[in-house]
Amino acid sequence: DGGITQSPKYLFRKEGQNVTLSCEQNLNHDAMYWYRQDPGQGLRLIYYSQIVNDFQKGDIAEGYSVSREKKESFPLTVTSAQKNPTAFYLCASRGQGDYGYTFGSGTRLTVV
Amino acid sequence: DAKTTQPNSMESNEEEPVHLPCNHSTISGTDYIHWYRQLPSQGPEYVIHGLTSNVNNRMASLAIAEDRKSSTLILHRATLRDAAVYYCVLRRDSGGSNYKLTFGKGTLLTVNP
Repeated sequence: DGGITQSPKYLFRKEGQNVTLSCEQNLNHDAMYWYRQDPGQGLRLIYYSQIVNDFQKGDIAEGYSVSREKKESFPLTVTSAQKNPTAFYLCASRGQGDYGYTFGSGTRLTVV
Repeated sequence: DAKTTQPNSMESNEEEPVHLPCNHSTISGTDYIHWYRQLPSQGPEYVIHGLTSNVNNRMASLAIAEDRKSSTLILHRATLRDAAVYYCVLRRDSGGSNYKLTFGKGTLLTVNP
C-alpha cells in the first residue's frame, strides 16, 4: 500500500544532541512538508519542499534543518539550537494536482 | 495567510447529524476551504474541500456561505469513530502547484454513545 512512513514512532534525546526524524513516501508525490504539534495546539509548519533539491522555511524553522536529495525522502534534523524540541512531529506529502495532504502517523520526540 | 475561527469544542450524540462551523471573514477569492480531522496520536486526515459551491463526498458535506465568509462541515450521522479534532484550513491557489496549508487549533468533537 502507498503511504508515508515516519520513524521512529517514539524518540528520546538528551539535551544538546542533534536527532534526525525520518520521513519516506512511496506515493510519487512531489511536495513534502514537516509540521510540529504541541499538546492542545494546531500544527505549525517547519519546512516544506516542492521539488527535489529545493526546500523553503516555514513559520518556525529556527533550530531545524532538512534535506531533499531524493523524491521519496525528506528527513528533518532537530538541532541542539532548538530550545524546546519536545513535540509531536508530522510529515506530509502532496501529489501534483492533488488538493489534499497525506500525513504520516507522526514521531513523538521527548528531550530528557 | 487568511485566518479561520472555530469553536474549541463541540459535543454530539451518536447517529445524530453534526454541524461544525468555521468563520473565515478575511478569505480571498482564490482561497479554497479545506477540512481535515485528526484522531488522537495520529496524523490529520483529509476530509473535504470546496471553493464556492457546496460539496459532498462519502465522509461529509461542506456547506459554504454565499459570501464565503463562513462554512460548515456536516457529518450526517455521527459515529464514535468520528470523535476527533476537526481543522478548517484555507488554501490560497496562486495558479501553480505550490502552496502550503496553515492549521489553527481546530474543534474537538466528542461523540456520546
